[in-house]
Amino acid sequence: DTAVSQTPKYLVTQMGNDKSIKCEQNLGHDTMYWYKQDSKKFLKIMFSYNNKELIINETVPNRFSPKSPDKAHLNLHINSLELGDSAVYFCASSSGTGVSEQYFGPGTRLTVT
Amino acid sequence: QKEVEQNSGPLSVPEGAIASLNCTYSDRGSQSFFWYRQYSGKSPELIMSIYSNGDKEDGRFTAQLNKASQYVSLLIRDSQPSDSATYLCAVNPSGGSYIPTFGRGTSLIVHP
Repeated sequence: DTAVSQTPKYLVTQMGNDKSIKCEQNLGHDTMYWYKQDSKKFLKIMFSYNNKELIINETVPNRFSPKSPDKAHLNLHINSLELGDSAVYFCASSSGTGVSEQYFGPGTRLTVT
Repeated sequence: QKEVEQNSGPLSVPEGAIASLNCTYSDRGSQSFFWYRQYSGKSPELIMSIYSNGDKEDGRFTAQLNKASQYVSLLIRDSQPSDSATYLCAVNPSGGSYIPTFGRGTSLIVHP
C-alpha cells in the first residue's frame, strides 16, 4: 500500500548509457513531479505533469525526457548519461498544482561511473 | 530568481529543548509554505503546511508565518533525538507559476 513508489532504488551505470526510472502513485493525485537532489542535498525540481500534461520543464538538458502514460505514472528516461547526472532522483505527487502538499517516493540513487 | 534561504546549520539542541528553524523567501506574493523533514538517506516527508499569517500548531510542531517580513519558521517543542534530521522549507510562488522552490535545508541535531 505504498503511496508513491519508484524503481529501481539504486542504479549504477556507465557514462553514455541510457536508463529509465519509473514512478507510480496510488493516491489518486493529479500532479506528479521529478526532483533531483545533488550531493549537497539541494532539491531541485525538474519536471511536473498535471493529468498527463507537462506543466513544468525547468532548465534540464534535453537528454532527460519524462513520460506520463496516465496520471498515476511518471517515468524519467535519461540518454547518454554523464558523471554529473549522479544524484538521487525523487518522484513526488500532489492533489493539485500550486497550492499543494507533496508526497515523495523513496528515491532512486543514480551513480554514473 | 525566486529564492528560499535557510541556515544550513547544524543546529544543535539538547533533548527537551525548543528547536527553532527559520526560512526567508524572496517572492513577496508567495501564498503557500511547507516544512518537510528528511532523514539521512530517506525522502522528504511533509510535516507542516501554512497559508496565512500567524501560528499553526500540530502536536509538538508549530509553524509561524509572517508575510510582511517574508519569513516562515518551524518550532519543535520538547525536541527528541528522533527529530534529528534535515528540515526543508518549501514555498509555492505567486504569479501562476507552479514551480515549488525548496531551501537547502537546516540540519538539526538533538543530543541526549
